[in-house]
Amino acid sequence: GENVEQHPSTLSVQEGDSAVIKCTYSDSASNYFPWYKQELGKRPQLIIDIRSNVGEKKDQRIAVTLNKTAKHFSLHITETQPEDSAVYFCAASKDTGFQKLVFGTGTRLLVSP
Amino acid sequence: SAVISQKPSRDICQRGTSLTIQCQVDSQVTMMFWYRQQPGQSLTLIATANQGSEATYESGFVIDKFPISRPNLTFSTLTVSNMSPEDSSIYLCSAPRVAGVEQFFGPGTRLTVL
Repeated sequence: GENVEQHPSTLSVQEGDSAVIKCTYSDSASNYFPWYKQELGKRPQLIIDIRSNVGEKKDQRIAVTLNKTAKHFSLHITETQPEDSAVYFCAASKDTGFQKLVFGTGTRLLVSP
Repeated sequence: SAVISQKPSRDICQRGTSLTIQCQVDSQVTMMFWYRQQPGQSLTLIATANQGSEATYESGFVIDKFPISRPNLTFSTLTVSNMSPEDSSIYLCSAPRVAGVEQFFGPGTRLTVL
């Protein structure tokens, strides 16, 4: 089955810096890659996603890139703000059938003012 | 996005008892999913709840321990049976957007087993 690895497990940056979180997946049939942000005590919130027919997608300060050949995808946050502090999870799924998500282990991002 | 609610939001239970968690979606969806998030950990899929058929369980999860019901296209329940302290976790349900693949999560049920 699918296995998703995520790095780093923790990331500390200064406000205004960029943050990059990387994930690799094992199943070449996976073709949908969402990113979730989970604040303490809250539900995971979908912040951006990408499908395998696209190499990059951007939404304001966040962007996701996908390298299908290498089977890895990354989340990029620019101009980080303290409110970006949270745990971020990547996930992978096949865009057919049961659509179940396999999650990475999570990255705790801390943005210091 | 789908609006998903769960009940209860939290509970403290005694070892050996069972708890049923309810999940309600504001639109009709074919599949609903149940996840477990142990303290400080990632999300692990327990099972996929299909309307009109048996749930599909992931490796390591069995129906006797986590029976699931899916009586209609907007509702599902997950029961955590014969609980032990190791079952202390957050249990989340999710559902995809109608005619889409994006999945949205309920607020979760924080379960503590003493």
